Amino acid sequence: EAQVTQNPRYLITVTGKKLTVTCSQNMNHEYMSWYRQDPGLGLRQIYYSMNVEVTDKGDVPEGYKVSRKEKRNFPLILESPSPNQTSLYFCASSPRDRYPSGANVLTFGAGSRLTVL
Amino acid sequence: DAKTTQPNSMESNEEEPVHLPCNHSTISGTDYIHWYRQLPSQGPEYVIHGLTSNVNNRMASLAIAEDRKSSTLILHRATLRDAAVYYCILSVFGNEKLTFGTGTRLTIIP
Repeated sequence: EAQVTQNPRYLITVTGKKLTVTCSQNMNHEYMSWYRQDPGLGLRQIYYSMNVEVTDKGDVPEGYKVSRKEKRNFPLILESPSPNQTSLYFCASSPRDRYPSGANVLTFGAGSRLTVL
Repeated sequence: DAKTTQPNSMESNEEEPVHLPCNHSTISGTDYIHWYRQLPSQGPEYVIHGLTSNVNNRMASLAIAEDRKSSTLILHRATLRDAAVYYCILSVFGNEKLTFGTGTRLTIIP
């Protein structure tokens, strides 16, 4: 089944303890992205990647890192989590070469709910 | 980035058509109009997208105004499973970024 898989789905951690949220897609998509969703703010893009080894900041990149060493994986790293990073996180991917620019269809993962105490 | 405006919430009766409006008065000529929906406890799900002409797929129809400053997502026969938050989004040419707003929460009344 074509899908985007995120792990963990739920995590409670403490301030300052480094953590990684993994994202993997099995659709050979070039484009991958991370979003966070907070009440009243909708989904905001954190980082995105156009292809392997190509990443760029989204709207709210502070406090996050990403890497894209392989096409299928796009982990989100919180080096020193803080309570304001408590949120619901979504990874998404799309096939850039299948549609004209701007017409890409995103496939989202099921989400990872992170709580930082 | 061009913004969209949607009502915060709407209600509709089951098995009736639903028309979800979206205003995007600052849309540029190369911006695509996308609709996604988010069911409770799930990630957003693609519904439909278009550029200038009306579009139909198995999930819904997208009606785009002639001046492209507004569009309407049409669910032809709403079911309880269509209860979700619906997002109208404009894409940016050359960047696959989609900026989500707060969407319209659709409630289906049995």
